[in-house]
Amino acid sequence: DTAVSQTPKYLVTQMGNDKSIKCEQNLGHDTMYWYKQDSKKFLKIMFSYNNKELIINETVPNRFSPKSPDKAHLNLHINSLELGDSAVYFCASSQDPKAEAFFGQGTRLTVV
Amino acid sequence: GQNIDQPTEMTATEGAIVQINCTYQTSGFNGLFWYQQHAGEAPTFLSYNVLDGLEEKGRFSSFLSRSKGYSYLLLKELQMKDSASYLCAVRDPNDYKLSFGAGTTVTVRA
Repeated sequence: DTAVSQTPKYLVTQMGNDKSIKCEQNLGHDTMYWYKQDSKKFLKIMFSYNNKELIINETVPNRFSPKSPDKAHLNLHINSLELGDSAVYFCASSQDPKAEAFFGQGTRLTVV
Repeated sequence: GQNIDQPTEMTATEGAIVQINCTYQTSGFNGLFWYQQHAGEAPTFLSYNVLDGLEEKGRFSSFLSRSKGYSYLLLKELQMKDSASYLCAVRDPNDYKLSFGAGTTVTVRA
């Protein structure tokens, strides 16, 4: 059984489009995250939710909007996609904000 | 701000030992994590240090010196499957946010 699953795994889309990436965890964790890993392999936090409440909101364009309908889900919606948004987006979860994070398999987003 | 440095690449022979260093200069400290990431895959948790000293987990060990802002990950009895990127990450005490280094790509040769 997959612990942290995100869909789709690959996403190719044109500039200006709006897209969503979905994430679900079946670990019973309270905290979920979205990370972005760019072409230089830097992994950077974007957002974190704890018990459906936003606790980390890094300096990302407001075209990116996370939504947590319940503790097991954290989706990422991106409006007006730009070429620079191309990256691998990882969802992750942890027991609480202090615990180690478990990552999903990543979504490789390519904006053309 | 957070500044986390680790070497870009290291190469070692199967069966050997490799030590990956990580130095950090951060505005606060609440623990240091090491993650392994194979190409095209998700990072997976390896170890966590919050107090000074050595933590051993099988073939992998991690060391921390808070006064020096320094950690290392030691990989013993290297296997081909250990070829991966190793990420050092420091946790902020205020919001528990993890800041990652750029990662060290380890290549194990036969």
